[in-house]
Amino acid sequence: EPEVTQTPSHQVTQMGQEVILRCVPISNHLYFYWYRQILGQKVEFLVSFYNNEISEKSEIFDDQFSVERPDGSNFTLKIRSTKLEDSAMYFCASRWQADFSYEQYFGPGTRLTVT
Amino acid sequence: AQSVTQLGSHVSVSEGALVLLRCNYSSSVPPYLFWYVQYPNQGLQLLLKYTTGATLVKGINGFEAEFKKSETSFHLTKPSAHMSDAAEYFCAVSDEGAGKSTFGDGTTLTVKP
Repeated sequence: EPEVTQTPSHQVTQMGQEVILRCVPISNHLYFYWYRQILGQKVEFLVSFYNNEISEKSEIFDDQFSVERPDGSNFTLKIRSTKLEDSAMYFCASRWQADFSYEQYFGPGTRLTVT
Repeated sequence: AQSVTQLGSHVSVSEGALVLLRCNYSSSVPPYLFWYVQYPNQGLQLLLKYTTGATLVKGINGFEAEFKKSETSFHLTKPSAHMSDAAEYFCAVSDEGAGKSTFGDGTTLTVKP
C-alpha cells in the first residue's frame, strides 16, 4: 500500500541553524501539507501546497518557514533559523486531487529537537 | 473559520466497557470529519471519516462514529474497550478547496484492566 515517507525520523539542531525536513508524498497525489505537533499538544496546520505554490498557510508559517517541491517527488519544509519553540513533531500529508472525501495521508513524522 | 472541540482531555474506562469520545465541530460548509488515533511516539492513523451519505460511519478496530448535523457532533464510540485502545484520539474537520485539516486538542484514552 502506498504511503507517505519522511526523513529524517529525528533531527537535532542548534538554535539558529537551518533545517530541511523531507517528505515523499504518495506518487499520484497533488495536494501536500505540513503540520506540526508540539509535545503533548494538538496537531496544528502549517501550510498547504498545490500546483507548485502555497495555497494556504497559517499564522505559524512565518518568514522563517518555506516549502518546496524540488524534483517532482520530494516535498520539503525549511526552517531558516531555528528557535527553541520550533521543537516539535512535523507531519507531512498528501491528498489525491479527485478524492472528494478530503482524506489526507500522513507520514510518520520527523521529530525536531532544537537545543 | 472551522473549529473542533473535544470534550474531556482524559477519558478512563475499564476493559470491556463502552468507549465514548466526544467531538463537536464548527463549520460554515458541510464538513468532512475524521477521527485519528495516535500511539506514543507514532504518527496519525485514520480511524474513520465522514464525507456524505450514511451518518453512522464504521472504522477500524471496532470504532464507529455518528454525524449529527443538528448537534454539530461527531462522537466516537466502541462497544467494548480493549487494552490496546489506550492512545490519544484526535477529531478533525477539513474544509473544501485546499482541504487543510483543523484538529481538536485530543483526548487521552486510558483503559483499566
